Amino acid sequence: ILNVEQSPQSLHVQEGDSTNFTCSFPSSNFYALHWYRWETAKSPEALFVMTLNGDEKKKGRISATLNTKEGYSYLYIKGSQPEDSATYLCAFAYNTDKLIFGTGTRLQVFP
Amino acid sequence: NAGVMQNPRHLVRRRGQEARLRCSPMKGHSHVYWYRQLPEEGLKFMVYLQKENIIDESGMPKERFSAEFPKEGPSILRIQQVVRGDSAAYFCASSPPGQGVLDHEQYFGPGTRLTVT
Repeated sequence: ILNVEQSPQSLHVQEGDSTNFTCSFPSSNFYALHWYRWETAKSPEALFVMTLNGDEKKKGRISATLNTKEGYSYLYIKGSQPEDSATYLCAFAYNTDKLIFGTGTRLQVFP
Repeated sequence: NAGVMQNPRHLVRRRGQEARLRCSPMKGHSHVYWYRQLPEEGLKFMVYLQKENIIDESGMPKERFSAEFPKEGPSILRIQQVVRGDSAAYFCASSPPGQGVLDHEQYFGPGTRLTVT
């Protein structure tokens, strides 16, 4: 059974703090790793699609790294803001057809 | 450019009835994915379709569930003879032509919340 684990399950930080979360996935048959941001009462929105070992991607204050050999990806948020409060999902692809989602890290940023 | 549209947003069905969930992908998108989110669980892949073709239905329950994406019109997820365990949020996502999940993110609709009474 292919499993995608995310940690921590939830996180509370103060505005201005930097934070990071982990996504662990099987290191064999790797095709792609996606990160999504899911705000309450909205739809998941894509942050990054990563395919190459050592890949680093950045969008504003959010960045992600990828290690396919050991099966993990980190998502970093620099200087967290209250509007960053959301659930962050990672999803692993072992073929071209489908994603296996983790259960997410729920981030709450307090002003 | 309108996003992925799903309707209805909320659907209540009695046990034994049929549920039909619709998904209109973003303009220009030819790949449609359906996911189910059970209470307190994550998104689970159900089926991946391209126009008039089911590409991967490995996440679909073997009975009562079917999906289609006709040449014209929205993609439909159909659940026959619903049971209480079918109560969940069903999300549709679409992506443009290409190598599926390799080179494109997925664009999600707002979901349909199905309640079976």
